[in-house]
Amino acid sequence: SQQGEEDPQALSIQEGENATMNCSYKTSINNLQWYRQNSGRGLVHLILIRSNEREKHSGRLRVTLDTSKKSSSLLITASRAADTASYFCATARVGSQGNLIFGKGTKLSVKP
Amino acid sequence: DSGVTQTPKHLITATGQRVTLRCSPRSGDLSVYWYQQSLDQGLQFLIQYYNGEERAKGNILERFSAQQFPDLHSELNLSSLELGDSALYFCASSPSPGKRNEKLFFGSGTQLSVL
Repeated sequence: SQQGEEDPQALSIQEGENATMNCSYKTSINNLQWYRQNSGRGLVHLILIRSNEREKHSGRLRVTLDTSKKSSSLLITASRAADTASYFCATARVGSQGNLIFGKGTKLSVKP
Repeated sequence: DSGVTQTPKHLITATGQRVTLRCSPRSGDLSVYWYQQSLDQGLQFLIQYYNGEERAKGNILERFSAQQFPDLHSELNLSSLELGDSALYFCASSPSPGKRNEKLFFGSGTQLSVL
Protein backbone atom coordinates (compact mmCIF):
# COMPACT_ATOMS: atom_id res chain seq x y z
CA SER A 1 0.00 0.00 0.00
CA GLN A 2 1.20 3.53 -0.70
CA GLN A 3 2.12 5.67 2.26
CA GLY A 4 2.83 8.88 0.39
CA GLU A 5 0.79 10.61 -2.25
CA GLU A 6 2.50 13.20 -4.38
CA ASP A 7 0.81 16.17 -5.91
CA PRO A 8 0.76 17.08 -8.73
CA GLN A 9 1.15 13.85 -10.70
CA ALA A 10 2.81 15.80 -13.50
CA LEU A 11 4.35 19.25 -13.71
CA SER A 12 5.67 21.10 -16.75
CA ILE A 13 7.67 24.30 -16.37
CA GLN A 14 10.19 26.46 -18.21
CA GLU A 15 13.88 26.48 -17.41
CA GLY A 16 14.65 28.98 -14.69
CA GLU A 17 11.27 28.63 -12.98
CA ASN A 18 10.78 27.04 -9.59
CA ALA A 19 9.12 23.64 -9.21
CA THR A 20 7.14 22.68 -6.14
CA MET A 21 5.99 19.15 -5.40
CA ASN A 22 3.91 18.08 -2.45
CA CYS A 23 3.64 14.84 -0.56
CA SER A 24 1.12 13.63 2.00
CA TYR A 25 1.46 10.55 4.16
CA LYS A 26 -0.65 8.64 6.61
CA THR A 27 1.27 7.35 9.64
CA SER A 28 3.84 8.57 12.16
CA ILE A 29 7.29 8.70 10.64
CA ASN A 30 10.94 8.80 11.67
CA ASN A 31 11.93 10.65 8.55
CA LEU A 32 10.81 11.59 5.07
CA GLN A 33 13.07 11.33 2.06
CA TRP A 34 12.92 12.51 -1.53
CA TYR A 35 14.31 10.50 -4.41
CA ARG A 36 14.72 11.21 -8.08
CA GLN A 37 14.35 8.75 -10.95
CA ASN A 38 15.43 9.42 -14.51
CA SER A 39 13.18 7.58 -16.99
CA GLY A 40 13.11 4.03 -15.63
CA ARG A 41 16.58 4.13 -14.10
CA GLY A 42 17.44 3.56 -10.46
CA LEU A 43 16.34 5.98 -7.78
CA VAL A 44 18.81 8.48 -6.42
CA HIS A 45 18.52 9.93 -2.93
CA LEU A 46 18.14 13.70 -2.84
CA ILE A 47 17.46 14.76 0.73
CA LEU A 48 16.28 13.44 4.09
CA ILE A 49 14.36 15.39 6.69
CA ARG A 50 13.90 14.03 10.20
CA SER A 51 10.55 14.12 11.94
CA ASN A 52 11.78 16.80 14.37
CA GLU A 53 12.96 19.10 11.57
CA ARG A 54 10.76 21.59 9.74
CA GLU A 55 12.95 22.69 6.86
CA LYS A 56 16.11 21.57 5.15
CA HIS A 57 18.17 22.88 2.26
CA SER A 58 20.59 21.20 -0.12
CA GLY A 59 21.86 23.25 -3.04
CA ARG A 60 18.82 24.22 -5.12
CA LEU A 61 16.55 21.94 -3.09
CA ARG A 62 14.39 23.02 -0.19
CA VAL A 63 12.26 20.55 1.74
CA THR A 64 9.68 21.33 4.37
CA LEU A 65 7.92 18.95 6.70
CA ASP A 66 4.70 19.52 8.63
CA THR A 67 4.08 16.52 10.85
CA SER A 68 0.80 17.94 12.16
CA LYS A 69 -0.58 17.90 8.61
CA LYS A 70 1.44 14.84 7.60
CA SER A 71 2.76 16.63 4.56
CA SER A 72 6.00 17.67 2.93
CA SER A 73 7.01 19.78 -0.01
CA LEU A 74 10.04 19.77 -2.27
CA LEU A 75 11.04 23.00 -3.96
CA ILE A 76 13.57 23.02 -6.79
CA THR A 77 14.70 26.54 -7.52
CA ALA A 78 15.98 27.87 -10.86
CA SER A 79 15.15 24.59 -12.59
CA ARG A 80 17.22 23.24 -15.47
CA ALA A 81 16.36 20.88 -18.31
CA ALA A 82 18.52 18.29 -16.54
CA ASP A 83 16.06 18.32 -13.62
CA THR A 84 13.53 16.55 -15.85
CA ALA A 85 12.74 13.34 -13.97
CA SER A 86 10.22 11.72 -11.64
CA TYR A 87 10.40 12.70 -7.99
CA PHE A 88 9.23 10.44 -5.18
CA CYS A 89 8.72 11.02 -1.52
CA ALA A 90 9.36 8.08 0.77
CA THR A 91 8.66 7.64 4.45
CA ALA A 92 10.31 5.58 7.13
CA ARG A 93 7.49 4.73 9.49
CA VAL A 94 7.99 4.58 13.23
CA GLY A 95 8.87 1.02 14.12
CA SER A 96 9.99 0.08 10.63
CA GLN A 97 13.26 -1.70 10.00
CA GLY A 98 14.52 0.96 7.64
CA ASN A 99 12.38 0.02 4.67
CA LEU A 100 10.80 2.98 2.91
CA ILE A 101 7.29 3.35 1.61
CA PHE A 102 7.12 5.35 -1.60
CA GLY A 103 4.45 7.53 -3.14
CA LYS A 104 3.54 7.34 -6.81
CA GLY A 105 5.72 10.29 -7.76
CA THR A 106 5.57 13.58 -9.61
CA LYS A 107 6.77 13.65 -13.19
CA LEU A 108 8.61 16.91 -13.75
CA SER A 109 9.33 18.21 -17.22
CA VAL A 110 11.57 21.27 -17.56
CA LYS A 111 11.50 22.80 -21.01
CA PRO A 112 14.61 24.65 -22.26
CA ASP B 1 27.03 4.77 -9.76
CA SER B 2 25.31 3.71 -6.51
CA GLY B 3 27.55 0.69 -5.96
CA VAL B 4 24.54 -1.66 -6.02
CA THR B 5 24.71 -4.17 -8.87
CA GLN B 6 21.70 -5.93 -10.32
CA THR B 7 21.68 -8.63 -12.95
CA PRO B 8 20.31 -9.19 -15.47
CA LYS B 9 19.25 -5.76 -16.72
CA HIS B 10 16.51 -7.21 -18.88
CA LEU B 11 14.66 -10.50 -18.72
CA ILE B 12 12.01 -11.78 -21.11
CA THR B 13 10.18 -14.96 -20.24
CA ALA B 14 6.86 -16.73 -20.64
CA THR B 15 3.93 -17.19 -18.30
CA GLY B 16 4.35 -20.05 -15.88
CA GLN B 17 8.13 -19.82 -15.86
CA ARG B 18 10.50 -19.17 -12.97
CA VAL B 19 13.27 -16.55 -12.89
CA THR B 20 15.95 -15.42 -10.47
CA LEU B 21 17.07 -11.83 -10.07
CA ARG B 22 20.38 -11.12 -8.44
CA CYS B 23 21.62 -8.20 -6.38
CA SER B 24 25.01 -7.32 -4.93
CA PRO B 25 24.79 -4.56 -2.29
CA ARG B 26 27.26 -1.73 -1.82
CA SER B 27 30.47 -2.78 -0.15
CA GLY B 28 29.88 -2.80 3.60
CA ASP B 29 26.08 -2.64 3.44
CA LEU B 30 24.40 -5.42 5.39
CA SER B 31 20.78 -4.71 4.52
CA VAL B 32 19.13 -5.45 1.19
CA TYR B 33 15.66 -4.39 0.09
CA TRP B 34 13.61 -5.49 -2.92
CA TYR B 35 11.06 -3.24 -4.61
CA GLN B 36 8.73 -3.74 -7.56
CA GLN B 37 7.81 -0.81 -9.78
CA SER B 38 4.86 -0.98 -12.15
CA LEU B 39 2.77 1.67 -13.82
CA ASP B 40 -0.40 0.87 -11.92
CA GLN B 41 1.01 0.02 -8.47
CA GLY B 42 3.98 2.37 -8.33
CA LEU B 43 6.96 1.39 -6.15
CA GLN B 44 5.99 -1.46 -3.85
CA PHE B 45 8.22 -2.71 -1.04
CA LEU B 46 8.57 -6.48 -1.26
CA ILE B 47 11.03 -7.72 1.33
CA GLN B 48 14.10 -6.77 3.38
CA TYR B 49 17.06 -8.81 4.58
CA TYR B 50 19.76 -7.98 7.07
CA ASN B 51 22.92 -10.03 7.32
CA GLY B 52 21.19 -13.12 5.95
CA GLU B 53 17.97 -12.88 7.91
CA GLU B 54 14.58 -11.64 6.84
CA ARG B 55 13.76 -8.36 8.61
CA ALA B 56 10.57 -7.06 7.05
CA LYS B 57 8.00 -8.19 4.57
CA GLY B 58 5.83 -6.02 2.37
CA ASN B 59 3.52 -6.81 -0.50
CA ILE B 60 5.35 -9.91 -1.62
CA LEU B 61 3.31 -12.65 -3.30
CA GLU B 62 3.58 -16.24 -2.12
CA ARG B 63 4.94 -17.12 -5.58
CA PHE B 64 7.92 -14.87 -4.85
CA SER B 65 10.74 -15.64 -2.45
CA ALA B 66 14.09 -14.15 -1.62
CA GLN B 67 17.22 -14.89 0.31
CA GLN B 68 20.46 -13.24 1.31
CA PHE B 69 23.62 -15.29 1.18
CA PRO B 70 26.68 -15.23 3.51
CA ASP B 71 28.53 -12.99 1.05
CA LEU B 72 25.54 -10.60 1.40
CA HIS B 73 24.33 -10.82 -2.18
CA SER B 74 20.63 -11.44 -2.53
CA GLU B 75 18.39 -13.25 -4.97
CA LEU B 76 14.71 -12.73 -5.67
CA ASN B 77 12.97 -15.77 -7.09
CA LEU B 78 9.75 -15.30 -9.03
CA SER B 79 7.81 -18.42 -9.97
CA SER B 80 4.63 -19.33 -11.86
CA LEU B 81 4.97 -16.01 -13.59
CA GLU B 82 1.91 -14.14 -14.77
CA LEU B 83 1.54 -11.27 -17.21
CA GLY B 84 0.94 -8.93 -14.30
CA ASP B 85 4.38 -9.67 -12.87
CA SER B 86 5.93 -7.66 -15.68
CA ALA B 87 7.63 -4.77 -13.91
CA LEU B 88 10.91 -3.16 -13.00
CA TYR B 89 12.44 -4.84 -9.96
CA PHE B 90 14.85 -2.83 -7.86
CA CYS B 91 17.27 -3.84 -5.21
CA ALA B 92 18.51 -1.30 -2.67
CA SER B 93 20.99 -1.49 0.17
CA SER B 94 21.86 0.35 3.35
CA PRO B 95 24.48 -0.13 6.06
CA SER B 96 22.14 -1.43 8.78
CA PRO B 97 18.46 -1.53 9.51
CA GLY B 98 16.76 -0.02 12.48
CA LYS B 99 18.93 3.08 12.39
CA ARG B 100 16.29 5.70 12.11
CA ASN B 101 17.72 7.95 9.47
CA GLU B 102 19.36 5.97 6.74
CA LYS B 103 19.02 6.52 3.05
CA LEU B 104 18.81 3.70 0.53
CA PHE B 105 21.13 3.15 -2.41
CA PHE B 106 19.34 1.70 -5.43
CA GLY B 107 20.57 -0.49 -8.23
CA SER B 108 19.57 0.22 -11.82
CA GLY B 109 16.93 -2.49 -11.79
CA THR B 110 15.91 -5.58 -13.72
CA GLN B 111 13.19 -5.06 -16.31
CA LEU B 112 11.08 -8.22 -16.36
CA SER B 113 8.74 -8.84 -19.28
CA VAL B 114 6.39 -11.81 -19.05
CA LEU B 115 4.87 -12.71 -22.42
